[in-house]
Amino acid sequence: TQLLEQSPQFLSIQEGENLTVYCNSSSVFSSLQWYRQEPGEGPVLLVTVVTGGEVKKLKRLTFQFGDARKDSSLHITAAQPGDTGLYLCAGAASGGSNYKLTFGKGTLLTVNP
Amino acid sequence: ETGVTQTPRHLVMGMTNKKSLKCEQHLGHNAMYWYKQSAKKPLELMFVYNFKEQTENNSVPSRFSPECPNSSHLFLHLHTLQPEDSALYLCASSQVGRARETQYFGPGTRLLVL
Repeated sequence: TQLLEQSPQFLSIQEGENLTVYCNSSSVFSSLQWYRQEPGEGPVLLVTVVTGGEVKKLKRLTFQFGDARKDSSLHITAAQPGDTGLYLCAGAASGGSNYKLTFGKGTLLTVNP
Repeated sequence: ETGVTQTPRHLVMGMTNKKSLKCEQHLGHNAMYWYKQSAKKPLELMFVYNFKEQTENNSVPSRFSPECPNSSHLFLHLHTLQPEDSALYLCASSQVGRARETQYFGPGTRLLVL
């Protein structure tokens, strides 16, 4: 069974601060996706990383896939209240069906004005 | 975002009731999914339908019965549920066969079983 551990589970910061959340596994994934889920809504895809060592930037968000494709991180620069939400990572099994995703429990981020 | 819609958004039911959750996708996708999201647990994949055929049943109890009449609609029929089945039920769709396909989620149905 593939597991994804996300840390921290909860994070409360002030507007303007930087933060990093982590997604770790002992398993190798063919790709890893990050989602953000706001209260009362379903998860919305932010990015997919595929290549070991890959770095992708989405405005103030920087995503990195580990060299061994077992872990990933999300760094947010100068966080804003609009970044508040549940951040989920999900891995697609290496060599398996691309549609089966394993999700972490998520990091609940609160950015206070 | 109206790509994937779910009804109802909230549902309260007793353990002896029978109800159905509905999902509709307007994205032209060929695969649809049911997930369960409980507090302090990862999203759990329940069922997968690929071209209307069920390709995955992730050891889900028989009190949950999915139905996929066509590639745009997905139902989850509920009967004799237990209080521990209270959760957010999410529907998603994707285009299987497309490299690094994205799953698009609906807003979910918040279910409370009394």
